[in-house]
Formats: sequence, C-alpha cells, structure tokens
Amino acid sequence: DAGVTQSPTHLIKTRGQHVTLRCSPISGHKSVSWYQQVLGQGPQFIFQYYEKEERGRGNFPDRFSARQFPNYSSELNVNALLLGDSALYLCASSLDILLGASYEQYFGPGTRLTVT
Amino acid sequence: AQSVTQLGSHVSVSEGALVLLRCNYSSSVPPYLFWYVQYPNQGLQLLLKYTTGATLVKGINGFEAEFKKSETSFHLTKPSAHMSDAAEYFCAVSRYSSASKIIFGSGTRLSIRP
Repeated sequence: DAGVTQSPTHLIKTRGQHVTLRCSPISGHKSVSWYQQVLGQGPQFIFQYYEKEERGRGNFPDRFSARQFPNYSSELNVNALLLGDSALYLCASSLDILLGASYEQYFGPGTRLTVT
Repeated sequence: AQSVTQLGSHVSVSEGALVLLRCNYSSSVPPYLFWYVQYPNQGLQLLLKYTTGATLVKGINGFEAEFKKSETSFHLTKPSAHMSDAAEYFCAVSRYSSASKIIFGSGTRLSIRP
C-alpha cells in the first residue's frame, strides 16, 4: 500500500503570495495532521482534521488554514507568505484518533516551501 | 502543558559504540512517548513508542528506550552504532492518544565516526 503522499515536493514562492499544499493519507485513514518544521528545529503542530472536522489547532496565525475532503485528503493553505514561513511542511495520517488508543501517525516526505 | 527536552543537539560516537540519546519530558497526565528518526531530506519514521505497560520498549533497527516515570525520562539507546544510524532523532510526547497532537523536542543529530 502507498504511504502518505504530499505534493508538491518543493515550492518557491514570493513574500505576500499564497500557497496550497496537498496531502493524501494512507488508504482507510480518517485523520490528517499538519506540522511545520523550520530548519534546525523539531516539527510544530499546525492542525489536525478528523472526518472533515478540525479537531486541533496549534499556535499559528489565521493566515494558516486547512480543510479535509470527503476522501480524507487534505489541503493546507497559507496566505500572505512571510520569509519565516519557509519550512518543511509535514503531513501525517492515522487510522483514527480514539482517546486512549495507540494508533500510529504515519508521516509523509513533506513539502519544502521556500519564500523569497 | 506538555514539553520535551532533548539534551545535546549533536552526539558523535564511534562505529560499534553505545548510542545514548537523552530525552526528558513534562506532562500533567500519563504521556504517550515516541522517538522518531529523520534522514536528510526525508520525513519522519517512528522508531518506537511507549503507550502503557512494559517500560522498556524495543523498536526498529536495534533501538530501545526505557520509560522512567520517577525521572520523567525516555532515553534512547542502541548497543552498537552503525554508520547507517547517522540521522536526526526526535523525542516526542502526546496526550490522550498516540494519534493526537504530537509535541516534538528540538532534535539530536547523531554522527557516527568510522
């Protein structure tokens, strides 16, 4: 089975532009999470979606938004790009998000966004 | 609030030597703990996780970690380092379940000397 896939692999944008990143979860997985990894740091949680509903949001400005589609794929949108948005954006999927459960989150290869 | 502290941003060991990467966590509830590995220009791969039960957790590639509640630690070890172990390692914690929001440490870069 295919793992988590993300597109595009690399992206270069100019300050002020907007960007859409895409993620396809593992088949059957209902939850998708987004993380931002700035160079030299650990990933930071941005959003989690489950069954098309937002279930968690990290400490990111409103310029960041996301959605999940009926087929469980997801998009991350970032408006008014800043130089500081340059990072590796990681998507992770899990089968479910039941409390107390031990479902694993599987990470995709990421999208490298460079803002100039 | 939960947090993770990884001691040492860079660790260098000789091939065949013991690998020890240190991680301390802070959590107000019983935590779910993880170690992830990231190779250059790649995503994250789960090495091992602690949820409940046995405190010594065995993972892939010969790695293991021990959950010590009294010390709030979850150190990662491997008896004998291999060149292919060179990578960035992240300790992480989550609350409520292993599929909920994960909080990562800042990472430790492991280098292996021939």
